[in-house]
Amino acid sequence: AQSVTQPDIHITVSEGASLELRCNYSYGATPYLFWYVQSPGQGLQLLLKYFSGDTLVQSIKGFEAEFKRSQSSFNLRKPSVHWSDAAEYFCAVGGDGNNRLAFGKGNQVVVIP
Amino acid sequence: GAGVSQSPSNKVTEKGKDVELRCDPISGHTALYWYRQSLGQGLEFLIYFQGNSAPDKSGLPSDRFSAERTGGSVSTLTIQRTQQEDSAVYLCASSSRGRLGTDTQYFGPGTRLTVL
Repeated sequence: AQSVTQPDIHITVSEGASLELRCNYSYGATPYLFWYVQSPGQGLQLLLKYFSGDTLVQSIKGFEAEFKRSQSSFNLRKPSVHWSDAAEYFCAVGGDGNNRLAFGKGNQVVVIP
Repeated sequence: GAGVSQSPSNKVTEKGKDVELRCDPISGHTALYWYRQSLGQGLEFLIYFQGNSAPDKSGLPSDRFSAERTGGSVSTLTIQRTQQEDSAVYLCASSSRGRLGTDTQYFGPGTRLTVL
């Protein structure tokens, strides 16, 4: 069964500083990888996804994530965080023929002035 | 267009009572999923519906949990004889084709269930 590990459950970052959230997955076949963001009182919103092709994917909110098969990782990065980026971030993995997503425990990101 | 909607947004019930949670998927989406988000457990898959196929119930934690999907659209998750450990946020998601490898799941805002 697939699984996801997100270390560093709570992260505090200064506004304007860079952010990197780590995601390691375990899956026996080609993974399909996602980052979702959950703001207080909101549902999960898709931030990024990787299915195939270019291993570096980017979002309109300035985030990017890179799929590294050799490291079984899909880390999320943003060069300069904004106060509105404070939220909980979840990495998830699924696969061809598998109907479920496996989620990591999430990263709670706090942005300080 | 409209996203996934869920009702109620909050539900407080007494231990032993039955509850029903509702999900309206995005129009045209054939696949529907239920997940549970609880402290300490993170997000757990519960059940998956795809068109007229038999649902994948492999994530349901006990036989007190059941779900149905009427007319290929609205879904209801029922929890019978609720227990305190059932307290969680129940999330519904839908996707267009249900073949996970090429689909993105879109989530509703969730129903927060509190069992007293």
